[in-house]
Amino acid sequence: GIQVEQSPPDLILQEGANSTLRCNFSDSVNNLQWFHQNPWGQLINLFYIPSGTKQNGRLSATTVATERYSLLYISSSQTTDSGVYFCAVEQRAQKLVFGQGTRLTINP
Amino acid sequence: DTGVSQDPRHKITKRGQNVTFRCDPISEHNRLYWYRQTLGQGPEFLTYFQNEAQLEKSRLLSDRFSAERPKGSFSTLEIQRTEQGDSAMYLCASSSSNIQYFGAGTRLSVL
Repeated sequence: GIQVEQSPPDLILQEGANSTLRCNFSDSVNNLQWFHQNPWGQLINLFYIPSGTKQNGRLSATTVATERYSLLYISSSQTTDSGVYFCAVEQRAQKLVFGQGTRLTINP
Repeated sequence: DTGVSQDPRHKITKRGQNVTFRCDPISEHNRLYWYRQTLGQGPEFLTYFQNEAQLEKSRLLSDRFSAERPKGSFSTLEIQRTEQGDSAMYLCASSSSNIQYFGAGTRLSVL
């Protein structure tokens, strides 16, 4: 099946810093979503981005489908950005395949 | 719209007992999914419904697991004869298009 790799696995930053999270996938996909999992386990939708670039406030994402990767940018990090960020792809049959996540810690 | 709702939020049970979880999807979402997430891992797909039809089941879904969506609205996931390895977060998601929206999950601890 399709493989999804996220990097880095852990990232520790000071408040105000910028960060880039990467997601590589091993085959063509129909769907790609980025999620933020908060400390209570809730998966929050950030972007639906099978291709192209989108921005939402301090967050933006770019997917280059032909090269099989996606990037999530967080600018001017805040402590509330802490948590685990997941990339998930759908190849067929409606099921999402998740990466292992990037754990982001923003220190005040 | 209150989003995807899961009940209970936490369940502690003894090995060998049966447990049942409920998921109420976003209204009018015809697709419903169950995932399982263990500590430090990403969620893994378990099964998927379109309306009341269960269209796909993962190899992770052993014979002790059964899921239903009898009227195409809410869904239940039952685990029979629970084992310690079943301890995990069970997540439900729903969609009407390509975007899946997740509930807060049910955290199961098997003692």
